Amino acid sequence: AQSVTQLDSQVPVFEEAPVELRCNYSSSVSVYLFWYVQYPNQGLQLLLKYLSGSTLVKGINGFEAEFNKSQTSFHLRKPSVHISDTAEYFCAVSVGGSNYKLTFGKGTLLTVNP
Amino acid sequence: NAGVTQTPKFQVLKTGQSMTLQCAQDMNHEYMSWYRQDPGMGLRLIHYSVGAGITDQGEVPNGYNVSRSTTEDFPLRLLSAAPSQTSVYFCASRRRVRVPNEKLFFGSGTQLSVL
Repeated sequence: AQSVTQLDSQVPVFEEAPVELRCNYSSSVSVYLFWYVQYPNQGLQLLLKYLSGSTLVKGINGFEAEFNKSQTSFHLRKPSVHISDTAEYFCAVSVGGSNYKLTFGKGTLLTVNP
Repeated sequence: NAGVTQTPKFQVLKTGQSMTLQCAQDMNHEYMSWYRQDPGMGLRLIHYSVGAGITDQGEVPNGYNVSRSTTEDFPLRLLSAAPSQTSVYFCASRRRVRVPNEKLFFGSGTQLSVL
């Protein structure tokens, strides 16, 4: 079965600083990887996804993620964060043969301070 | 086009009571699912459905029942509520089942407290 580990439960940063949110996965078969964002008191929204091809994936709001198969990682990055990026971020994985059910990590709370 | 609609937004129950959380989508999505979100636990899949009349268990199905009589609706039933079921519940759907690149559309959640 697949699993997802988000290595940091909370990441505080200052506005305009770069940020990296870490995600590692485990699976014995090919996986499809996603990052979702949850703003306060809302449901989740898709930020970006990796299926195949280029290992660098660009998403909405200036975020990008890099798939590293050898390290089984899919870290999320943004070169300069804004106050409005304060949210909880979830890494998720799905595999074939399971109707592509999504398994989520435990989330990383990104807090951007002025 | 309303997307995924969940009702109610808030609910307080007493231990042992039963209730149904409603979920409806108007996008003709094949796949629908229920997650619960608990602090420090992320989202955990309760049940899911790949089409009308077809449901299956997720990661944490105990204490919950589902049915899918129509494409649009996927209610979640708590038969005898327990304090351990205090959580925020999200319904999510996507267009097709057997395609890996489909994004999930989430409802705005139901906050449930069981006393």
